[in-house]
Amino acid sequence: KAGVTQTPRYLIKTRGQQVTLSCSPISGHRSVSWYQQTPGQGLQFLFEYFSETQRNKGNFPGRFSGRQFSNSRSEMNVSTLELGDSALYLCASSLGDRQGAFFGQGTRLTVV
Amino acid sequence: AQSVTQLGSHVSVSEGALVLLRCNYSSSVPPYLFWYVQYPNQGLQLLLKYTSAATLVKGINGFEAEFKKSETSFHLTKPSAHMSDAAEYFCAVSKEGGSQGNLIFGKGTKLSVKP
Repeated sequence: KAGVTQTPRYLIKTRGQQVTLSCSPISGHRSVSWYQQTPGQGLQFLFEYFSETQRNKGNFPGRFSGRQFSNSRSEMNVSTLELGDSALYLCASSLGDRQGAFFGQGTRLTVV
Repeated sequence: AQSVTQLGSHVSVSEGALVLLRCNYSSSVPPYLFWYVQYPNQGLQLLLKYTSAATLVKGINGFEAEFKKSETSFHLTKPSAHMSDAAEYFCAVSKEGGSQGNLIFGKGTKLSVKP
């Protein structure tokens, strides 16, 4: 079974631009979550989608948004990029409450 | 509110020695607890999980963890460290019956293994 796939793996953007990251979950998983990982703040929850609906949201500004499609694939978007948005963005998919979340390899975003 | 505290940001052991990584949690409701491992430039890999069944949980790569409600702990152990265990380890919590997609992570513990 294929794991969680995130594209692209690396991205360099300029301050003020916007960016879209993509995540394909494990087949059959309907829950997709996004996390931001930085050296200073560690792993922080961004949001979770289940069956195309946002189920949970972390404490991030409105510049961070996401969506989920009918095939469970998900995208997250960051508008008006700031230097502090440089991070590893991780996507995870889950089958259910007792199964745990399975992570992709992440997208390394660098804002210059 | 739930939280996780990992004691020790860096732990160093010799190859063949016991690995003990500490995790304490805070939760007002029964928690689900997880340990993940992250190798450089990689995502997180699930090592093991506690979901209110057996309190001693066995995971992959010879790791295990014991849920102790009285101590609010979920420490990760491995009897004999291997060089390939060098990585960063994260403890995480979600509330029972809550979404698995909303995990609260500890700050992580970097494990070094000396030959």
